Amino acid sequence: DQQVKQNSPSLSVQEGRISILNCDYTNSMFDYFLWYKKYPAEGPTFLISISSIKDKNEDGRFTVFLNKSAKHLSLHIVPSQPGDSAVYFCAASGKTSYDKVIFGPGTSLSVIP
Amino acid sequence: DVKVTQSSRYLVKRTGEKVFLECVQDMDHENMFWYRQDPGLGLRLIYFSYDVKMKEKGDIPEGYSVSREKKERFSLILESASTNQTSMYLCASSPHLGPSYEQYFGPGTRLTVT
Repeated sequence: DQQVKQNSPSLSVQEGRISILNCDYTNSMFDYFLWYKKYPAEGPTFLISISSIKDKNEDGRFTVFLNKSAKHLSLHIVPSQPGDSAVYFCAASGKTSYDKVIFGPGTSLSVIP
Repeated sequence: DVKVTQSSRYLVKRTGEKVFLECVQDMDHENMFWYRQDPGLGLRLIYFSYDVKMKEKGDIPEGYSVSREKKERFSLILESASTNQTSMYLCASSPHLGPSYEQYFGPGTRLTVT
C-alpha cells in the first residue's frame, strides 16, 4: 500500500493561472516533506521542502502547504509558466538520518500557453 | 556544478542476462542510491550505500545486487534479468543521509528486458 499518494496523475493549467498539486500520506511518523520536479529524459531535481514544524514554505513562485491533521500537503505554483510543465513527485520521510525518503507516483503538469 | 552520470541512457537485454548499470558522481558525496521508476508507482528504492563497500537494502531489493568499490561509483547488478525488471532506473547521490539533504539524480537508464 502506497504511503504517499498523488491522486491526480495529470493536470492541465492555463499559463498565468495557479497550479495546485496535491499529495496525501498515511504514515503519521513522516516529519519532512519534499517536492521534486522531473523533465523528460532528465533525472528529478529538488524543488522545495517543508518540515512538520511549519505549515507553509515559500520559494519564489512555489509554495508548499502542510496540513498535518489531514495528512495532506499541496504545492502551489503562481503564476504557472510553460516551463513548469513536468512531472512533480511528492516525497516524505521520518526525522532521523536512517529514515528513507518515500516518493509518490507523480503528477504530470501541463501548462498551456 | 553537481553531476551524476549513468553509463547508458537506453539498454536492451535478454531474459537471463547479467546486467550492469553504472553510476558515477563527482560531488564527493557519501551516499548513493538506486531507484526504479514505474508508471503509477513513483520512485522505489532498490538499494543505497552510505560508504564505500557498505550497502543497505531498500524497499524492493529482490533480484538486484549492488557494488560500491570506490566512493564515486555505485553499480546496480541484475544477476539474471527478467521481463518484470523492464523499467527506468535512476541513480542519486546526497552528501549526508537524512531527509533534509536533497538527492541529486542522474538522467536515468531505460532498461528493456525481452
